Amino acid sequence: AQSVAQPEDQVNVAEGNPLTVKCTYSVSGNPYLFWYVQYPNRGLQFLLKYITGDNLVKGSYGFEAEFNKSQTSFHLKKPSALVSDSALYFCAVRAVQYGNNRLAFGKGNQVVVIP
Amino acid sequence: KAGVTQTPRYLIKTRGQQVTLSCSPISGHRSVSWYQQTPGQGLQFLFEYFSETQRNKGNFPGRFSGRQFSNSRSEMNVSTLELGDSALYLCASSSTVTDTQYFGPGTRLTVL
Repeated sequence: AQSVAQPEDQVNVAEGNPLTVKCTYSVSGNPYLFWYVQYPNRGLQFLLKYITGDNLVKGSYGFEAEFNKSQTSFHLKKPSALVSDSALYFCAVRAVQYGNNRLAFGKGNQVVVIP
Repeated sequence: KAGVTQTPRYLIKTRGQQVTLSCSPISGHRSVSWYQQTPGQGLQFLFEYFSETQRNKGNFPGRFSGRQFSNSRSEMNVSTLELGDSALYLCASSSTVTDTQYFGPGTRLTVL
């Protein structure tokens, strides 16, 4: 089984301040980890992924995430938040297994960037 | 490349009816997955098709079914609609080269 926990419902941050969205996961074996963002009435937009290699992953729009195997975490970060970053953020995991494309998502975090 | 497209974008149906949703993947992508998004349950995996075969299936009743055509386009069908089927249905495609699923804009289904 695979699952994701995003412990906070909403993250409020002032524009220009660092943004962190937390994610912990559970999966059998090695994980593939993803972050997606969703704007109102839109689908999910891919931000970044961890497959293997460096624990710090850089993605779109200045976002990055750090994979921590011992803490089973994959927190999303941005050094300086913009008002346009206000959206719903989802962490997702799937097991590294041939033929398994099934993603398990967290409940999502609403990020509000305050001008 | 064009992204994942889904039609229609919005649908209103009544209980007991059936509905078919369509998804066209990114060119070259052979895997198509479907997800249901609701405020209460969040994002839940429905099923995945690869080369016209269902490869994975989530925990949904048999009223939810799908298929994939030889051009990788996929359809999802829901029969005997219930009020609880009201949701945003998202389709995602991926290739054997990338491990990333790219999502379409979704179909918003409202069951009255």
